[in-house]
Amino acid sequence: SQQGEEDPQALSIQEGENATMNCSYKTSINNLQWYRQNSGRGLVHLILIRSNEREKHSGRLRVTLDTSKKSSSLLITASRAADTASYFCATFGNQFYFGTGTSLTVIP
Amino acid sequence: DAGVIQSPRHEVTEMGQEVTLRCKLISGHNSLFWYRQTMMRGLELLIYFNNNVPIDDSGMPEDRFSAKMPNASFSTLKIQPSEPRDSAVYFCASSDHMGEQYFGPGTRLTVT
Repeated sequence: SQQGEEDPQALSIQEGENATMNCSYKTSINNLQWYRQNSGRGLVHLILIRSNEREKHSGRLRVTLDTSKKSSSLLITASRAADTASYFCATFGNQFYFGTGTSLTVIP
Repeated sequence: DAGVIQSPRHEVTEMGQEVTLRCKLISGHNSLFWYRQTMMRGLELLIYFNNNVPIDDSGMPEDRFSAKMPNASFSTLKIQPSEPRDSAVYFCASSDHMGEQYFGPGTRLTVT
């Protein structure tokens, strides 16, 4: 069941710029995960951040988590055309929730 | 490991027919998730299993949908009878409980 939102719904940037996507949720969580989906494909796991963590890095990805505000952000630095995809956050607590996704377009 | 395997990849059927979607989990994973994705409703969790036991089926649309795990590595999602509004891409995913989920390639279902 869906219980939160992601914003923006769509984002278009130039190659080399940074992209920031936000996710909000409503209930307490054990962890929050970010996934990427290329058109017509299954989702691919990017990064997991636990509820007691505030920030996590993986390559060009940086995720922050603010449990007091029930929000998370995903930052992709130095974007590439290959980063064009939809990005979803997923929270895991008493229920499982996937956000509505942000469609990112990186223009070469 | 070949990852999560789904079959068929595409299914076209007529309204009223029974549809069975299949999923093979990654070896060693103990959680299985079925999702449905449409443009209108996005990605919806239908049901998930842990250690072969259904934990949350609140996302199953109605009695026409049923899911089973006859063993630890295999699951089916059945729609009977199918309706045009069931047209969607159905994904299954497996994980080692609360960890990252590995998604299959999906089954694109079209009900005419």
